Amino acid sequence: GAVVSQHPSRVICKSGTSVKIECRSLDFQATTMFWYRQFPKKSLMLMATSNEGSKATYEQGVEKDKFLINHASLTLSTLTVTSAHPEDSSFYICSARGTGRYEQYFGPGTRLTVT
Amino acid sequence: DAKTTQPTSMDCAEGRAANLPCNHSTISGNEYVYWYRQIHSQGPQYIIHGLKNNETNEMASLIITEDRKSSTLILPHATLRDTAVYYCIVRVEVYTSGTYKYIFGTGTRLKVLA
Repeated sequence: GAVVSQHPSRVICKSGTSVKIECRSLDFQATTMFWYRQFPKKSLMLMATSNEGSKATYEQGVEKDKFLINHASLTLSTLTVTSAHPEDSSFYICSARGTGRYEQYFGPGTRLTVT
Repeated sequence: DAKTTQPTSMDCAEGRAANLPCNHSTISGNEYVYWYRQIHSQGPQYIIHGLKNNETNEMASLIITEDRKSSTLILPHATLRDTAVYYCIVRVEVYTSGTYKYIFGTGTRLKVLA
């Protein structure tokens, strides 16, 4: 149980374009989903927290207009990187927390490369 | 605002116990300690968590000092597949939204040697 998937696993896009990453909880309802980014050999940095049906809460320094988060259902959240630039290249990981639970279950990650 | 410090790397012989320390001297009374591990280019995997009592499950044991300023994750019989980065995490409450978030430490790269 507690499986989280992400799609795509890898994506390459051109500078200036937008890319959408999906995060799904496959066997539980996720009241809260989290988005992290991770640079090579670094730890995970929380970008934002989203609760189903409400606006995401962004961490300090994360541009909400650049990283659009939608959590429209209890099993799906999306992260859209708008007007991507090479410095946005990173490993993006989502996690989900179920109702009444505190531990987060992580997706396998999406590697974004902006050329 | 990292709340944990961990050694950068450790080696452990296969079959021996791996003891991974973590300092969290600024932890608050209601903040839990979580441990996850990450194998290269995958999402982190949950291992164990605790508040103040020692905890054990099928994967590991968690020893938390009485003052809660540090903890140790113990893998009792390390195997080659335990080679990974181990993160010590403090779960903090976000009062403005009534939710919780993880503050990741820098992680310990554990290498299990044959």
